[in-house]
Amino acid sequence: GIQVEQSPPDLILQEGANSTLRCNFSDSVNNLQWFHQNPWGQLINLFYIPSGTKQNGRLSATTVATERYSLLYISSSQTTDSGVYFCAVGVGGNNRLAFGKGNQVVVIP
Amino acid sequence: DGGITQSPKYLFRKEGQNVTLSCEQNLNHDAMYWYRQDPGQGLRLIYYSQIVNDFQKGDIAEGYSVSREKKESFPLTVTSAQKNPTAFYLCASTYGRNTEAFFGQGTRLTVV
Repeated sequence: GIQVEQSPPDLILQEGANSTLRCNFSDSVNNLQWFHQNPWGQLINLFYIPSGTKQNGRLSATTVATERYSLLYISSSQTTDSGVYFCAVGVGGNNRLAFGKGNQVVVIP
Repeated sequence: DGGITQSPKYLFRKEGQNVTLSCEQNLNHDAMYWYRQDPGQGLRLIYYSQIVNDFQKGDIAEGYSVSREKKESFPLTVTSAQKNPTAFYLCASTYGRNTEAFFGQGTRLTVV
């Protein structure tokens, strides 16, 4: 099956710093999502981005499907940005998602 | 409010017992999914259903069963055959092909 690798696995940021999270995948995809898992375990949808660039406030994402990677940018980080960020990709039309192991982000004041 | 509701939030099971996790959605989504998350890991697909009365195995279906009698509901039964059931279980739904998935708040199952 498709492989999804996220880097870096762990990241510690000073509040106000910027960061980039990367997701590499091993095959062509027709679905890619970024999620933030909060401390209670809920997955919060950040972006649905199989290709192109999107922005939502301090967060933005870019997927280059032809080169099989996606990037999530966090600007001016806040302590509420702490948590685990997951990249998930889908192959075929049934929306089955394959997840990476996540990026654990800790933002310190 | 539209969304996906999972219950209970926490569930304790004795070894040898079957337990059923509930997942209900009022988003009018056609497809529903069950995923399992272990500590420090990503999610893995257990079962999914694209239409009522039909479902398919995911990557780790052994020891689990599901039903899809109504569009809104997709319960997951963790059977005694599942050797390591302690995990966080998440239910998701999507509207159609190549569309965004939305998740419930999860059920944390512990075997005691």
